[in-house]
Amino acid sequence: AQKITQTQPGMFVQEKEAVTLDCTYDTSDQSYGLFWYKQPSSGEMIFLIYQGSYDEQNATEGRYSLNFQKARKSANLVISASQLGDSAMYFCAMREFYPQGGSEKLVFGKGTKLTVNP
Amino acid sequence: DGGITQSPKYLFRKEGQNVTLSCEQNLNHDAMYWYRQDPGQGLRLIYYSQIVNDFQKGDIAEGYSVSREKKESFPLTVTSAQKNPTAFYLCASRHTGDYGYTFGSGTRLTVV
Repeated sequence: AQKITQTQPGMFVQEKEAVTLDCTYDTSDQSYGLFWYKQPSSGEMIFLIYQGSYDEQNATEGRYSLNFQKARKSANLVISASQLGDSAMYFCAMREFYPQGGSEKLVFGKGTKLTVNP
Repeated sequence: DGGITQSPKYLFRKEGQNVTLSCEQNLNHDAMYWYRQDPGQGLRLIYYSQIVNDFQKGDIAEGYSVSREKKESFPLTVTSAQKNPTAFYLCASRHTGDYGYTFGSGTRLTVV
């Protein structure tokens, strides 16, 4: 079963409008973390925002905010005032912790391709 | 500037040849990771290493091998046993106790 689900393969938004990218996750752990990354066509992964499972406030970073609804296991990314440069792939990812050795890994969703129209 | 360097950016190999992808970091990070990305897919974990001389298989380790002889370096070998090696490969690192991951710029491998 998928641990990170992004149900929107593609999204379109007009420049200067806000857009919400959906992400739901599946975990039975109490401690976890959720990331959003942006991947432009060049391929690098750009960190946008992070939300820890114990954080009571929704995370915000400039024009990015994370709408964290723990009971629904959702962590949607909201981009306000979209810009043409926001056109890219967006990935939601979750930190998975291994009980032994203190190791962890990131599990990714399949991504959403965002296109900002002028 | 600190970061992760992946080289080369593009790599072409003939089918049946082994190929090694380089990943070097100067961030003094303990943990290093290799991910594979196929078109329309998210990243899938190949191997990861928490400390020098130790590494663990990820979700899709078959046909790949790694080494971690130095803290700074985590090369990935794509062997001839990997049935479909053409993909985009990303290396990442993380400092133990920190939540932040740093990614390299990736290597696009094409096997012909």
